[in-house]
Amino acid sequence: AQSVTQLDSQVPVFEEAPVELRCNYSSSVSVYLFWYVQYPNQGLQLLLKYLSGSTLVESINGFEAEFNKSQTSFHLRKPSVHISDTAEYFCAVRPLRGADGLTFGKGTHLIIQP
Amino acid sequence: ETGVTQSPTHLIKTRGQQVTLRCSSQSGHNTVSWYQQALGQGPQFIFQYYREEENGRGNFPPRFSGLQFPNYSSELNVNALELDDSALYLCASSLGGTAEAFFGQGTRLTVV
Repeated sequence: AQSVTQLDSQVPVFEEAPVELRCNYSSSVSVYLFWYVQYPNQGLQLLLKYLSGSTLVESINGFEAEFNKSQTSFHLRKPSVHISDTAEYFCAVRPLRGADGLTFGKGTHLIIQP
Repeated sequence: ETGVTQSPTHLIKTRGQQVTLRCSSQSGHNTVSWYQQALGQGPQFIFQYYREEENGRGNFPPRFSGLQFPNYSSELNVNALELDDSALYLCASSLGGTAEAFFGQGTRLTVV
Protein backbone atom coordinates (compact mmCIF):
# COMPACT_ATOMS: atom_id res chain seq x y z
CA ALA A 1 0.00 0.00 0.00
CA GLN A 2 1.01 3.60 -0.52
CA SER A 3 0.49 6.75 1.50
CA VAL A 4 1.15 10.43 0.77
CA THR A 5 1.70 13.15 3.34
CA GLN A 6 1.44 16.81 2.46
CA LEU A 7 2.93 18.53 5.42
CA ASP A 8 1.12 21.87 5.10
CA SER A 9 -2.65 22.22 4.75
CA GLN A 10 -2.31 25.93 3.91
CA VAL A 11 0.58 28.01 2.63
CA PRO A 12 0.13 31.80 2.47
CA VAL A 13 2.72 33.66 0.42
CA PHE A 14 3.04 37.12 -1.05
CA GLU A 15 2.82 37.65 -4.79
CA GLU A 16 6.19 37.32 -6.59
CA ALA A 17 7.71 35.49 -3.61
CA PRO A 18 9.06 31.92 -3.90
CA VAL A 19 7.09 28.97 -2.56
CA GLU A 20 7.69 25.31 -1.72
CA LEU A 21 4.88 22.80 -1.14
CA ARG A 22 6.11 19.70 0.62
CA CYS A 23 5.20 16.12 -0.18
CA ASN A 24 6.48 12.88 1.32
CA TYR A 25 5.35 9.41 0.38
CA SER A 26 5.60 5.85 1.62
CA SER A 27 5.47 2.80 -0.61
CA SER A 28 6.76 -0.78 -0.61
CA VAL A 29 6.98 -0.73 -4.44
CA SER A 30 8.33 1.70 -7.01
CA VAL A 31 5.92 4.48 -7.89
CA TYR A 32 5.25 7.25 -10.35
CA LEU A 33 4.84 10.68 -8.73
CA PHE A 34 2.50 13.50 -9.67
CA TRP A 35 1.37 16.96 -8.72
CA TYR A 36 -2.18 17.96 -9.60
CA VAL A 37 -3.80 21.40 -9.22
CA GLN A 38 -7.48 22.00 -8.49
CA TYR A 39 -9.12 25.38 -8.95
CA PRO A 40 -12.41 26.11 -7.10
CA ASN A 41 -15.33 23.97 -8.28
CA GLN A 42 -13.22 22.23 -10.91
CA GLY A 43 -11.62 18.85 -11.50
CA LEU A 44 -7.93 18.06 -11.27
CA GLN A 45 -5.34 19.22 -13.77
CA LEU A 46 -1.97 17.50 -14.07
CA LEU A 47 0.79 19.96 -13.21
CA LEU A 48 3.82 17.72 -13.58
CA LYS A 49 4.95 14.13 -13.24
CA TYR A 50 8.00 12.04 -12.49
CA LEU A 51 8.13 8.74 -14.34
CA SER A 52 11.86 8.09 -14.71
CA GLY A 53 15.10 9.80 -15.71
CA SER A 54 16.07 13.25 -14.44
CA THR A 55 14.88 13.77 -10.89
CA LEU A 56 14.02 17.42 -11.58
CA VAL A 57 10.82 17.90 -13.58
CA GLU A 58 9.33 21.17 -14.77
CA SER A 59 5.92 22.41 -15.86
CA ILE A 60 5.18 24.97 -18.57
CA ASN A 61 3.97 27.56 -16.05
CA GLY A 62 7.12 27.80 -13.95
CA PHE A 63 6.61 25.07 -11.34
CA GLU A 64 9.23 22.41 -10.75
CA ALA A 65 9.49 19.38 -8.49
CA GLU A 66 12.43 17.24 -7.48
CA PHE A 67 12.20 13.52 -6.72
CA ASN A 68 14.40 12.52 -3.80
CA LYS A 69 14.38 8.75 -3.44
CA SER A 70 16.40 8.60 -0.22
CA GLN A 71 14.04 11.02 1.50
CA THR A 72 10.95 9.71 -0.33
CA SER A 73 9.97 13.28 -1.15
CA PHE A 74 8.63 15.14 -4.18
CA HIS A 75 8.45 18.79 -3.16
CA LEU A 76 6.93 21.37 -5.50
CA ARG A 77 8.57 24.77 -5.95
CA LYS A 78 8.05 27.98 -7.85
CA PRO A 79 10.52 30.88 -7.73
CA SER A 80 7.89 33.62 -8.14
CA VAL A 81 4.15 33.11 -7.64
CA HIS A 82 1.22 34.98 -9.15
CA ILE A 83 -2.33 35.62 -7.97
CA SER A 84 -3.52 33.10 -10.56
CA ASP A 85 -1.59 30.32 -8.75
CA THR A 86 -4.11 30.41 -5.90
CA ALA A 87 -5.52 26.87 -5.84
CA GLU A 88 -5.42 23.51 -4.07
CA TYR A 89 -2.38 21.39 -4.89
CA PHE A 90 -2.37 17.60 -4.55
CA CYS A 91 0.60 15.28 -4.53
CA ALA A 92 -0.13 11.73 -5.71
CA VAL A 93 1.64 8.42 -6.35
CA ARG A 94 0.79 5.35 -8.37
CA PRO A 95 2.62 2.00 -8.53
CA LEU A 96 4.58 1.26 -11.69
CA ARG A 97 2.77 -2.05 -12.03
CA GLY A 98 -0.73 -3.24 -11.27
CA ALA A 99 -4.14 -1.64 -11.44
CA ASP A 100 -4.04 0.42 -8.27
CA GLY A 101 -5.24 3.95 -8.81
CA LEU A 102 -3.63 7.15 -7.63
CA THR A 103 -3.09 7.68 -3.92
CA PHE A 104 -3.44 11.35 -3.06
CA GLY A 105 -2.35 13.50 -0.17
CA LYS A 106 -4.88 15.71 1.60
CA GLY A 107 -3.86 18.75 -0.40
CA THR A 108 -2.19 22.09 0.25
CA HIS A 109 -4.14 25.31 -0.23
CA LEU A 110 -1.81 27.89 -1.75
CA ILE A 111 -2.99 31.39 -0.88
CA ILE A 112 -1.35 34.25 -2.75
CA GLN A 113 -1.51 37.58 -0.97
CA PRO A 114 -1.14 40.81 -2.99
CA GLU B 1 -9.89 15.69 -29.35
CA THR B 2 -12.46 15.95 -26.55
CA GLY B 3 -11.49 15.71 -22.90
CA VAL B 4 -13.14 13.77 -20.10
CA THR B 5 -16.75 14.81 -19.55
CA GLN B 6 -19.00 13.93 -16.62
CA SER B 7 -22.74 14.25 -16.09
CA PRO B 8 -24.60 15.56 -14.28
CA THR B 9 -22.56 18.35 -12.71
CA HIS B 10 -24.68 18.50 -9.58
CA LEU B 11 -27.13 16.09 -8.00
CA ILE B 12 -29.20 15.95 -4.81
CA LYS B 13 -30.46 12.60 -3.54
CA THR B 14 -32.20 11.33 -0.44
CA ARG B 15 -30.61 8.84 1.94
CA GLY B 16 -31.37 5.26 0.87
CA GLN B 17 -31.81 6.12 -2.81
CA GLN B 18 -29.64 4.94 -5.68
CA VAL B 19 -27.63 7.13 -8.06
CA THR B 20 -25.86 6.72 -11.41
CA LEU B 21 -23.06 9.02 -12.51
CA ARG B 22 -21.71 9.04 -16.05
CA CYS B 23 -18.34 9.64 -17.65
CA SER B 24 -17.13 9.87 -21.23
CA SER B 25 -13.44 9.15 -21.50
CA GLN B 26 -10.95 11.09 -23.58
CA SER B 27 -10.74 9.95 -27.17
CA GLY B 28 -8.56 6.87 -27.54
CA HIS B 29 -8.40 6.09 -23.81
CA ASN B 30 -9.42 2.57 -22.79
CA THR B 31 -9.06 2.85 -19.00
CA VAL B 32 -11.41 4.70 -16.67
CA SER B 33 -11.06 5.18 -12.94
CA TRP B 34 -13.35 6.79 -10.39
CA TYR B 35 -12.49 8.78 -7.29
CA GLN B 36 -14.45 10.19 -4.34
CA GLN B 37 -13.34 13.56 -2.97
CA ALA B 38 -14.94 14.55 0.31
CA LEU B 39 -14.90 18.22 1.27
CA GLY B 40 -11.42 19.32 2.30
CA GLN B 41 -9.84 15.97 1.46
CA GLY B 42 -7.80 14.47 -1.33
CA PRO B 43 -9.51 12.16 -3.84
CA GLN B 44 -9.79 8.49 -2.89
CA PHE B 45 -9.63 5.69 -5.47
CA ILE B 46 -12.89 3.78 -5.86
CA PHE B 47 -12.18 1.44 -8.80
CA GLN B 48 -10.76 1.16 -12.30
CA TYR B 49 -12.09 -0.39 -15.51
CA TYR B 50 -9.96 -1.60 -18.38
CA ARG B 51 -11.64 -2.83 -21.55
CA GLU B 52 -14.98 -3.29 -19.77
CA GLU B 53 -13.57 -5.26 -16.84
CA GLU B 54 -12.96 -4.02 -13.30
CA ASN B 55 -9.25 -4.57 -12.70
CA GLY B 56 -8.58 -2.54 -9.57
CA ARG B 57 -10.56 -1.48 -6.51
CA GLY B 58 -9.97 0.73 -3.51
CA ASN B 59 -11.43 0.39 -0.04
CA PHE B 60 -15.08 0.97 -0.91
CA PRO B 61 -18.06 -1.30 -0.11
CA PRO B 62 -19.87 -3.35 -2.78
CA ARG B 63 -22.74 -0.85 -2.95
CA PHE B 64 -20.31 1.16 -5.11
CA SER B 65 -20.34 -0.54 -8.50
CA GLY B 66 -19.58 0.40 -12.05
CA LEU B 67 -19.71 -0.40 -15.72
CA GLN B 68 -17.60 0.35 -18.73
CA PHE B 69 -19.12 0.23 -22.19
CA PRO B 70 -17.58 -0.79 -25.55
CA ASN B 71 -16.98 2.87 -26.39
CA TYR B 72 -15.04 3.09 -23.07
CA SER B 73 -17.55 5.43 -21.41
CA SER B 74 -18.36 4.48 -17.84
CA GLU B 75 -20.94 4.62 -15.09
CA LEU B 76 -20.60 4.73 -11.33
CA ASN B 77 -23.58 3.38 -9.40
CA VAL B 78 -24.08 3.85 -5.69
CA ASN B 79 -26.88 2.00 -3.90
CA ALA B 80 -28.42 2.70 -0.48
CA LEU B 81 -27.00 6.21 -0.32
CA GLU B 82 -25.67 7.42 3.02
CA LEU B 83 -25.07 10.99 4.17
CA ASP B 84 -21.31 10.37 4.07
CA ASP B 85 -21.54 9.65 0.35
CA SER B 86 -21.90 13.40 -0.19
CA ALA B 87 -18.77 14.32 -2.15
CA LEU B 88 -17.31 15.33 -5.49
CA TYR B 89 -17.01 12.25 -7.72
CA LEU B 90 -14.22 12.43 -10.25
CA CYS B 91 -13.70 10.31 -13.31
CA ALA B 92 -10.29 9.95 -14.94
CA SER B 93 -9.29 8.28 -18.19
CA SER B 94 -5.96 7.01 -19.41
CA LEU B 95 -4.43 4.79 -22.05
CA GLY B 96 -3.86 1.38 -20.50
CA GLY B 97 -0.22 0.82 -19.63
CA THR B 98 0.63 4.51 -19.27
CA ALA B 99 0.73 6.42 -16.03
CA GLU B 100 -0.96 9.70 -16.90
CA ALA B 101 -4.65 10.12 -16.00
CA PHE B 102 -6.84 12.97 -17.22
CA PHE B 103 -9.69 14.09 -14.98
CA GLY B 104 -13.17 15.36 -15.69
CA GLN B 105 -14.79 18.28 -13.89
CA GLY B 106 -16.60 16.03 -11.45
CA THR B 107 -20.13 15.47 -10.23
CA ARG B 108 -21.09 17.07 -6.94
CA LEU B 109 -23.41 14.65 -5.09
CA THR B 110 -25.32 15.82 -2.05
CA VAL B 111 -27.21 13.27 0.04
CA VAL B 112 -29.88 14.68 2.35
